[in-house]
Amino acid sequence: NAGVMQNPRHLVRRRGQEARLRCSPMKGHSHVYWYRQLPEEGLKFMVYLQKENIIDESGMPKERFSAEFPKEGPSILRIQQVVRGDSAAYFCASSPGGGNYNSPLHFGNGTRLTVT
Amino acid sequence: TQLLEQSPQFLSIQEGENLTVYCNSSSVFSSLQWYRQEPGEGPVLLVTVVTGGEVKKLKRLTFQFGDARKDSSLHITAAQPGDTGLYLCAATGGGNKLTFGTGTQLKVEL
Repeated sequence: NAGVMQNPRHLVRRRGQEARLRCSPMKGHSHVYWYRQLPEEGLKFMVYLQKENIIDESGMPKERFSAEFPKEGPSILRIQQVVRGDSAAYFCASSPGGGNYNSPLHFGNGTRLTVT
Repeated sequence: TQLLEQSPQFLSIQEGENLTVYCNSSSVFSSLQWYRQEPGEGPVLLVTVVTGGEVKKLKRLTFQFGDARKDSSLHITAAQPGDTGLYLCAATGGGNKLTFGTGTQLKVEL
């Protein structure tokens, strides 16, 4: 049973480039969450998606960031025109259902983005 | 948004010692989870507590949920080097959105 798969594990981008982070949820999971972990800070919620729908994007910056979870394929977190402040570890989590503690989250091992 | 304060922020102890990590908020939690995160990996769920006053045990780890559901603690007995890691509490909200605490970095030395 494969867990949540994220790729790439490490990503280096120059300022102004685009970063694309991919997340394949666990088999049977239709709910995907993205979190960001900055150095010296805790994990911060960014966005919650189900297949083809954004359910909650209240933690996502209004500009340059977007997320999708298409009917087929992995969830994508896209950061346009990256800046140094975007350097962080980005974690994806999935669950079979949503809305209560009976559907716990399973986290991937993250993508570490470095902007130079 | 619930704010979760964890203490201590850092803890370095010798193998065999006991320790307690705290998670506090001014808000009432519907439920609370504890995670451990090791370097280069994602958080791994240890336990979920739901009922005020609830105590759960996981081998040498004891988790307690406060009666008023505003605080929680994690107690480790006879710590081992394998317990080293970042311990995070997290409160659940609507849609399974988690609000994480500030974290406690534990180091257990031989």
